[in-house]
Amino acid sequence: SAVISQKPSRDICQRGTSLTIQCQVDSQVTMMFWYRQQPGQSLTLIATANQGSEATYESGFVIDKFPISRPNLTFSTLTVSNMSPEDSSIYLCSVDRGPYEQYFGPGTRLTVT
Amino acid sequence: GENVEQHPSTLSVQEGDSAVIKCTYSDSASNYFPWYKQELGKRPQLIIDIRSNVGEKKDQRIAVTLNKTAKHFSLHITETQPEDSAVYFCAASYTGNQFYFGTGTSLTVIP
Repeated sequence: SAVISQKPSRDICQRGTSLTIQCQVDSQVTMMFWYRQQPGQSLTLIATANQGSEATYESGFVIDKFPISRPNLTFSTLTVSNMSPEDSSIYLCSVDRGPYEQYFGPGTRLTVT
Repeated sequence: GENVEQHPSTLSVQEGDSAVIKCTYSDSASNYFPWYKQELGKRPQLIIDIRSNVGEKKDQRIAVTLNKTAKHFSLHITETQPEDSAVYFCAASYTGNQFYFGTGTSLTVIP
């Protein structure tokens, strides 16, 4: 398994501001992923973060809105920029310990007012 | 991209009965199909998975079946217990790590 932590666990933010979410894993992993889970909804893949290269974004998500960093093999950040109430969601990172072996972090619950 | 549909959205069963959740996918390149259980306020946890070279897989009370031709797969839970109550998500992947999730099924097991 993998021990994954996220910071913050939850936050309440004002419209128009930005929030950076951190994801830390206890061992080196090649790939990290960011998902969004809107209230009562399913999980949607936002982007894939590889160390040493730019993140790859899924359709409907853009770098200007969700910039991602991956400075090393155990850490990644997701920034939610210029927030609106529609960005209120749980944001989860996940890590790939090998093909078919993926684990999710505990999530960051974001409320935008 | 991949599109995964999941039915039903809610399911209530009596304790001891079976529960079946069905998913369909659109991309024939998908070759990995995990199922996740998410309890309220917690992260999704993998409960069972199946790869495209296998038609069925069982783990105690849980089984998953896959029909590649029809592009659908199902989760079967037998002898349901109250602790099985949760939201279940199916997913499809053609990379083994980038997942496209279904819309979820809220399962309630009535004691």
